[in-house]
Amino acid sequence: ETGVTQTPRHLVMGMTNKKSLKCEQHLGHNAMYWYKQSAKKPLELMFVYNFKEQTENNSVPSRFSPECPNSSHLFLHLHTLQPEDSALYLCASSRTGTGAYNEQFFGPGTRLTVL
Amino acid sequence: KQEVTQIPAALSVPEGENLVLNCSFTDSAIYNLQWFRQDPGKGLTSLLLIQSSQREQTSGRLNASLDKSSGRSTLYIAASQPGDSATYLCAVSGSGNTPLVFGKGTRLSVIA
Repeated sequence: ETGVTQTPRHLVMGMTNKKSLKCEQHLGHNAMYWYKQSAKKPLELMFVYNFKEQTENNSVPSRFSPECPNSSHLFLHLHTLQPEDSALYLCASSRTGTGAYNEQFFGPGTRLTVL
Repeated sequence: KQEVTQIPAALSVPEGENLVLNCSFTDSAIYNLQWFRQDPGKGLTSLLLIQSSQREQTSGRLNASLDKSSGRSTLYIAASQPGDSATYLCAVSGSGNTPLVFGKGTRLSVIA
């Protein structure tokens, strides 16, 4: 596959469940991002990893836990979520996280529903 | 804190019409500006990237302009088609480690 892929595409979970979202980029990029998109709100940046190091945590609740084992893979571990966490979660990557190379390419997203 | 505003929030036009989408940002110290397209329930597709030193970029029927000093960008779509129906998002990036800041988007409907 090419570009940025995300799995699963749809996820329904209860508030007590633990699940993980996966993102993989095939672009040779070194920066990866998690965004949350809720209805009628702008995209909200959650986390940024640049060369596997977390460089941004945008005041995200601890029930969201990111993991970046290498520059090609990014995970978002979910536990004890709330119904208001239901949203489209988008992953993106860029060559680096700064300057002229931060044109971002997005995956198709995971539609998360918390019951 | 950078804020990005897109006007109008929604737009409906007949097929074949030329149209302009607007984006404004509060802090003119940007590194680049990016326009995206998003189809319902899907991810974002990058359309055009304008570096701060550039005034416009073109791709096919799309033309994006940037006036950094006034904090404005426009996306011009020529000869619109029903397949252009989507939400168009504008995002700006500051220098250094500043990540992209997005507007809420303009939802475009092109009626056949």
